[in-house]
Amino acid sequence: DIQMTQSPSSLSVSLGDNVTFTCEASENIYGFLAWYQQKLGKAPKLLIYGATNLEDGVPTRFSGSGSWTNYSLTISSLEPEDIATYYCQNNHVYPLTFGSGTKLEIK
Amino acid sequence: EVQLVESGGGLVQPGRSLKLSCAASGFTFSDYNMAWVRQAPKKGLEWVATIIYDGSRTYYRDSVKGRFTISRDNAKSTLYLQMDSLRSEDTATYYCATHYGHLLGPFDYWGQGVMVTVSS
Repeated sequence: DIQMTQSPSSLSVSLGDNVTFTCEASENIYGFLAWYQQKLGKAPKLLIYGATNLEDGVPTRFSGSGSWTNYSLTISSLEPEDIATYYCQNNHVYPLTFGSGTKLEIK
Repeated sequence: EVQLVESGGGLVQPGRSLKLSCAASGFTFSDYNMAWVRQAPKKGLEWVATIIYDGSRTYYRDSVKGRFTISRDNAKSTLYLQMDSLRSEDTATYYCATHYGHLLGPFDYWGQGVMVTVSS
């Protein structure tokens, strides 16, 4: 199984900050990487697919990059509604696997 | 508007069975590959199973293979998850979700989730 490692596990941030999360796959996933946002008590929401493609309706302050085994999600100028946990996901091969998440908290 | 509404969760004893349903609306259900994803309390997300749009192929994570069965009724626009021989480690919120594009596609629509608690 492909292991997805996210870092950091939590991040203390201020509104207006630029924030970057990283996700490392245990083997090459050829850009088949998705990012999700999950707010407390809610279902996850797809933000990015194919490592760099913004899902319809997602604000352009979100962006994704990366290739091979290393990927990142950046939020430019953090807004209050961005406080959530973010997960990456391998969708290159079964079993589909998620990272353990990065939880954003306000300083 | 796409809607996925799960039902059938609850408290069940270890070793017993439970069947989850996911009623879909707002899109052509029979065109979409579907999945179940779960989340144990205060834990991360875990893919459970996927079924192809016509029901002819299914995929499972190893820990549920032989115990869980994903199925669908396209005439009723409903997805199912039959869970047998339940274990305490199956305790989680179960979400149904649509695959975007192909069978390995990311999950673009999610239900609100249904809680399953396995405990004596």
